[in-house]
Amino acid sequence: GAVVSQHPSWVICKSGTSVKIECRSLDFQATTMFWYRQFPKQSLMLMATSNEGSKATYEQGVEKDKFLINHASLTLSTLTVTSAHPEDSSFYICSAAPTSGGKDTQYFGPGTRLTVL
Amino acid sequence: QKEVEQDPGPLSVPEGAIVSLNCTYSNSAFQYFMWYRQYSRKGPELLMYTYSSGNKEDGRFTAQVDKSSKYISLFIRDSQPSDSATYLCAMSSSGGYQKVTFGTGTKLQVIP
Repeated sequence: GAVVSQHPSWVICKSGTSVKIECRSLDFQATTMFWYRQFPKQSLMLMATSNEGSKATYEQGVEKDKFLINHASLTLSTLTVTSAHPEDSSFYICSAAPTSGGKDTQYFGPGTRLTVL
Repeated sequence: QKEVEQDPGPLSVPEGAIVSLNCTYSNSAFQYFMWYRQYSRKGPELLMYTYSSGNKEDGRFTAQVDKSSKYISLFIRDSQPSDSATYLCAMSSSGGYQKVTFGTGTKLQVIP
């Protein structure tokens, strides 16, 4: 149980285009989902906290107009990287916190590797 | 100073060795402590979860928390090649459901 999926698993796009990444909790409902970014040999850096039905809360230094987050249902959150540039190339990982039951933890997706040319 | 410090390694050990992984932190508000395992190009997987100080054991894994020293450890007994991964410590002031701060991760290689 407690499976989180991400789609796509990897994506290559041209500079200036937008990319959407989906995060789904497959067998549980998640009121809260988190989006992280991980650069090579670095730790996960929290980008934003997403709550179903409300606006996401962004961490300091993260541009909310560049990284659009939508959490339209209890099982789906999306991250759209708008006008992507090479410096946005990274490993993006989402996590989901179960609405009820389960361990007090977030369950992580497998990640999406974004390469911007 | 980072809130959470973790030696990035890499750490290489022979199969069967006891592995010790450590993190220090500066935020005294942290009360929830976690260890995650992350294989290359995969998302983190929760290994151990501890609240406040003390020890917790689960199979070959033992987590220790010393809040007075702001120091946490993960011990792996009888290490196996399949344990080769990056181990991330993580901490939160309000539970695993909430904002979690990660260490940089220690890359472990267990040599057969």
